Amino acid sequence: GAGVSQSPSNKVTEKGKDVELRCDPISGHTALYWYRQSLGQGLEFLIYFQGNSAPDKSGLPSDRFSAERTGGSVSTLTIQRTQQEDSAVYLCASSFGQGGYGYTFGSGTRLTVV
Amino acid sequence: GDSVTQMEGPVTLSEEAFLTINCTYTATGYPSLFWYVQYPGEGLQLLLKATKADDKGSNKGFEATYRKETTSFHLEKGSVQVSDSAVYFCASGRDDKIIFGKGTRLHILP
Repeated sequence: GAGVSQSPSNKVTEKGKDVELRCDPISGHTALYWYRQSLGQGLEFLIYFQGNSAPDKSGLPSDRFSAERTGGSVSTLTIQRTQQEDSAVYLCASSFGQGGYGYTFGSGTRLTVV
Repeated sequence: GDSVTQMEGPVTLSEEAFLTINCTYTATGYPSLFWYVQYPGEGLQLLLKATKADDKGSNKGFEATYRKETTSFHLEKGSVQVSDSAVYFCASGRDDKIIFGKGTRLHILP
């Protein structure tokens, strides 16, 4: 597609439930990134996929968080047993795989855990 | 490791005022430098970038110059508008990752 697409745009879930967030990157972009933006905070790196390489999971805050990328394209971020502190906007970005090109971001998924 | 530091906000200015948002970086080598903007309720958009020393990135009246000697990439605009109200993120990128600053919220008063 023309841009990075994320779904859903908003998600309200009950504490303890699992959620899945989806990201569809720009066609041809080999790299895909997930970030978290909490209210009034900057961007927190979560995970990075580059081609067929093993993902860089160094930013995942706990083992309740996981992500996969199927066929080098669509990615799903899964949060198990959600907690209220997981409430944030989850942003996905894609790029040609080199930091010098910059990222294209999706509009994000606003997750609210009640 | 690499890092980006930008001035804390919020920054409040009147319409038509001159804007400067300071940004400095630390990195080994020569990263590309970026400014991203996030308008209310929207995702981040690339505003401008510079890929080597002394390059000037510009877009929508905003400018920033890559200063290697001061490791800075300050964002400037000569006359801000109410529509410029947003959060601005400075970023540094090389290899396969971009490092973001914490963002500066800008309020422009009519």
